[in-house]
Formats: sequence, structure tokens, C-alpha cells
Amino acid sequence: DAGVIQSPRHEVTEMGQEVTLRCKPISGHDYLFWYRQTMMRGLELLIYFNNNVPIDDSGMPEDRFSAKMPNASFSTLKIQPSEPRDSAVYFCASSFYGTASYNEQFFGPGTRLTVL
Amino acid sequence: SQQGEEDPQALSIQEGENATMNCSYKTSINNLQWYRQNSGRGLVHLILIRSNEREKHSGRLRVTLDTSKKSSSLLITASRAADTASYFCARAGGKLIFGQGTELSVKP
Repeated sequence: DAGVIQSPRHEVTEMGQEVTLRCKPISGHDYLFWYRQTMMRGLELLIYFNNNVPIDDSGMPEDRFSAKMPNASFSTLKIQPSEPRDSAVYFCASSFYGTASYNEQFFGPGTRLTVL
Repeated sequence: SQQGEEDPQALSIQEGENATMNCSYKTSINNLQWYRQNSGRGLVHLILIRSNEREKHSGRLRVTLDTSKKSSSLLITASRAADTASYFCARAGGKLIFGQGTELSVKP
């Protein structure tokens, strides 16, 4: 398996533009997570899905952020409009919980977003 | 804060020495996990210890968990330059909450 795939790896955009980050989880995993990492705030959980359904989006900073998971093999995180303070590395992770809970998470390589 | 704390924030040692990192938390947990992050990369899972376990080993890694003190430690024995990375503990209870991490530098 190729692991969790994220695209793009780097994104530079101007304030006010729409940004879409993409994630392909590991096949067979039933949980998908979006995180944001900054020096100031560390690693923050933004939202997670179970079987394509959003379970907890309390970490999404504001209405400018939205996430979707239309099927088991694809998720997007959208920022519209983007602001300089959104600059960060965004990680997608997936996991298989099954009947267990809180198993290990497999992280993608991240998307480094810079908003000018 | 639900996140708790990790210490030290940074640790610099010589190759061959042991490295110990600590993690404290405030709420009850289902399990506690340790991850490594090399510069510019995603996090990689190292080891998971469940709340009813006290110690776990994986290669040169040893993790302990003391639920009465709400703390865990990660010991890396006989460190190598390739162990240079940031190490995070993550508490699983409701959500997986990551600490701020310990930056480990192993000098050859």
C-alpha cells in the first residue's frame, strides 16, 4: 500500500483565494483525520470522519474551513477565503478502528500551505 | 489544558547514550501512543500502550505508563544519529490529543 497520499505537497496562495487540500487514505481504513501543525499551536485536530461521516468538527477554526469525504478513498479540506494566519502544515491521517478504539494513526506527508 | 505537558522540550545527547522523554496528562485515557516526526515529514507511530498496561517494549524503545500519576515515559536506548527527530505523545480518550513534543538531537 502507498500509505496516505496528500496533494499538493506545497501550496502558495494569496490572501482571499480558495485553497483545496486533498487526501487519499489507506484502503480499508474507517477513520480519517485532518490536523494542522504550527510552531505556536502544535498539532491540532481539525475534524475527523468515521465511514465517510463527519463525527467531530469542533476543531475547525471558523466557517472559512470546510471538509468533505464523498467516498472512502477521498477527502478534501477547503479554506475559503484563505488568510495569512492559515499558513501551516496540514496533515491527513487514517486509521482502522474496527471493534477496537484509538488505534495507531497513519499520517500523510502533509501539505505546507503559505498564504501571502 | 487537556493536552498536558511533555518534558523536556529539547534534549541533546551523544550517540550511544539513552534518551528519556516524559509525558503527563490530566484526563483519563484509553491508551497512550508515541509518535516520531522527522523534519519536514509526517508523524510515524512508534508504540501504543493501553491503560491497563504498565510497560511495553519495541526494539530499542521502552514505554512506561503510570495511570495513578497520569504520566508516561519513552526511553530510547543506545541512541543513534538517525533517532534525531521530534517525539510526541498522544493521549487517547474521546479524541487523540497530541502534546507539544520533545525535540531530540543525537550527535554522532
